[in-house]
Amino acid sequence: QQQVKQSPQSLIVQKGGISIINCAYENTAFDYFPWYQQFPGKGPALLIAIRPDVSEKKEGRFTISFNKSAKQFSLHIMDSQPGDSATYFCAASMGSSASKIIFGSGTRLSIRP
Amino acid sequence: DAGVTQSPTHLIKTRGQQVTLRCSPKSGHDTVSWYQQALGQGPQFIFQYYEEEERQRGNFPDRFSGHQFPNYSSELNVNALLLGDSALYLCASSSTPDRGRYAYTFGSGTRLTVV
Repeated sequence: QQQVKQSPQSLIVQKGGISIINCAYENTAFDYFPWYQQFPGKGPALLIAIRPDVSEKKEGRFTISFNKSAKQFSLHIMDSQPGDSATYFCAASMGSSASKIIFGSGTRLSIRP
Repeated sequence: DAGVTQSPTHLIKTRGQQVTLRCSPKSGHDTVSWYQQALGQGPQFIFQYYEEEERQRGNFPDRFSGHQFPNYSSELNVNALLLGDSALYLCASSSTPDRGRYAYTFGSGTRLTVV
């Protein structure tokens, strides 16, 4: 019940295209859903996050879409750029154990010029 | 402003040995959490330290232990190393335990290889 399932495992997108990464969860106690970006040799960095009381959050070219009834959420990267090439992790946490973030297995995104 | 600093960056140990990894949190942060990231996987929560005490623990055996010092820096100790302990160990700091999930700053990690 603690898992966050992420797909696809890897993704190749042309420059200027839209990158879409999907995640699903089971535990309805989760109340915070962040996305992290990780470059090789670096730790994860918070990219954007959403709470389940909103259906969409947009920050620049990055948008989270959230479907509470389906227990699914996704990251959309508009106008994808080569600099966006990285591994992306969806994650979830709950207030009762605020420090413990449950990460998905990651999506390796490659943006082709 | 220095971020989270971890040392060493790389480490090779033999099965059965013990290892100590170190973390200095970001300036202004007093809470340290440790994560294990196996190759090709997402990070997994090991434990969190605040006010020099372990506040929360993930599903890791007692071979994994830690410590936090008065200056907020932290150590992760792993005893009786197994081949499966080979991973990237990440330290994350935050300004308070409860707000950690909103404002984690991760270090670049220590790559541990057990042979």
